[in-house]
Amino acid sequence: GGIITQTPKFLIGQEGQKLTLKCQQNFNHDTMYWYRQDSGKGLRLIYYSITENDLQKGDLSEGYDASREKKSSFSLTVTSAQKNEMAVFLCASSILGGDQDTQYFGPGTRLLVL
Amino acid sequence: QQKVQQSPESLTVSEGAMASLNCTFSDRSSDNFRWYRQHSGKGLEVLVSIFSDGEKEEGSFTAHLNRASLHVFLHIREPQPSDSALYLCAVSPGGSNAKLTFGKGTKLSVKS
Repeated sequence: GGIITQTPKFLIGQEGQKLTLKCQQNFNHDTMYWYRQDSGKGLRLIYYSITENDLQKGDLSEGYDASREKKSSFSLTVTSAQKNEMAVFLCASSILGGDQDTQYFGPGTRLLVL
Repeated sequence: QQKVQQSPESLTVSEGAMASLNCTFSDRSSDNFRWYRQHSGKGLEVLVSIFSDGEKEEGSFTAHLNRASLHVFLHIREPQPSDSALYLCAVSPGGSNAKLTFGKGTKLSVKS
């Protein structure tokens, strides 16, 4: 088994601030993902990475940057936080990213922008 | 673009009574379906994955896929109060796991 760790658990920011979220996995998985979850909406893919230093845009990449520093870690940056924004950011990983590979999720980072 | 809809939005059942959740998708060429569970304040836990028409059982969870009717169901046998959570359906076309499309979820409450 393995585990996905996300830091911080809670993040409170100011409008316009640049905010960074971190994700670590010890599954030794190749592919990692960042999703955004809003109340009343499904999860939406922001960025994913199929290997170290790779980066692929998802459906919601505008307003975000990401970085796959090494195989085990994937970080996400909110480039300019929007006032009253409230969402949960979920990190996931899978073995290779093929269609039958299960994505395993971390506990999430809860963002609130004042 | 793939659309995934789940019904009902919320469901309350008594402990031990079968719970049935519905997921409808729009792309008939989809071949990769998963049900996840999310307890309040937690991440997603995969319950069952199904890749062909028919049934797939994992413990007390059974997924039933009917691609012709564009439905995938989740049946929960003898649910307990600890099964109260948000249940999410995820669908992807063949070839790329990254193109998972999630439904908005069904909020299940199990009363003792």
